[in-house]
Amino acid sequence: RKEVEQDPGPFNVPEGATVAFNCTYSNSASQSFFWYRQDCRKEPKLLMSVYSSGNEDGRFTAQLNRASQYISLLIRDSKLSDSATYLCVVRGVIQGAQKLVFGQGTRLTINP
Amino acid sequence: NAGVTQTPKFQVLKTGQSMTLQCAQDMNHEYMSWYRQDPGMGLRLIHYSVGAGITDQGEVPNGYNVSRSTTEDFPLRLLSAAPSQTSVYFCASSYSGAAGYNEQFFGPGTRLTVL
Repeated sequence: RKEVEQDPGPFNVPEGATVAFNCTYSNSASQSFFWYRQDCRKEPKLLMSVYSSGNEDGRFTAQLNRASQYISLLIRDSKLSDSATYLCVVRGVIQGAQKLVFGQGTRLTINP
Repeated sequence: NAGVTQTPKFQVLKTGQSMTLQCAQDMNHEYMSWYRQDPGMGLRLIHYSVGAGITDQGEVPNGYNVSRSTTEDFPLRLLSAAPSQTSVYFCASSYSGAAGYNEQFFGPGTRLTVL
């Protein structure tokens, strides 16, 4: 089982729609969670951190469910500029040291 | 600030050749790392460094060497290129001496093809 799993998509939704992604992680001791955004043929950039109480940044809402070991990202009133790949990232332990583990990404296309 | 820079942007190698991917940051970050990104695999950590003179292996270190003689530079060396090393390579840096405590800033990537 992969440490971090995402539905690769692609998700194709019309502009203005609400879309949600989930990401599951296997290590129950994971402590930090993030969503990064990656545009086509570009580098990943931090979208938002995910806090235990959930957090919101404009049209974006992130939630953490520790009991079920998943995090989610909700995008409301989607814009054409939201088209990108969204990477779920978890701080976990690889070979005894704290490291970031990346999901394979969920591709989102917003259609006009 | 230029942020994190990587050179070259593109490279084609023949099997068995060696080369060095360059990475530099001007943000005085302690933590630097190298990832490779392959379709359907997500980013995988190759090597990382928590400060000048300190490096350690990540998830997929075989076939790669690194060194960190200065805070700014963190080159990645391919010792004897193999087709399995065809990938997009990203260098990243962050403030903290450990991963995940601070935002990771990525370079623009190097697209490497090994024939």
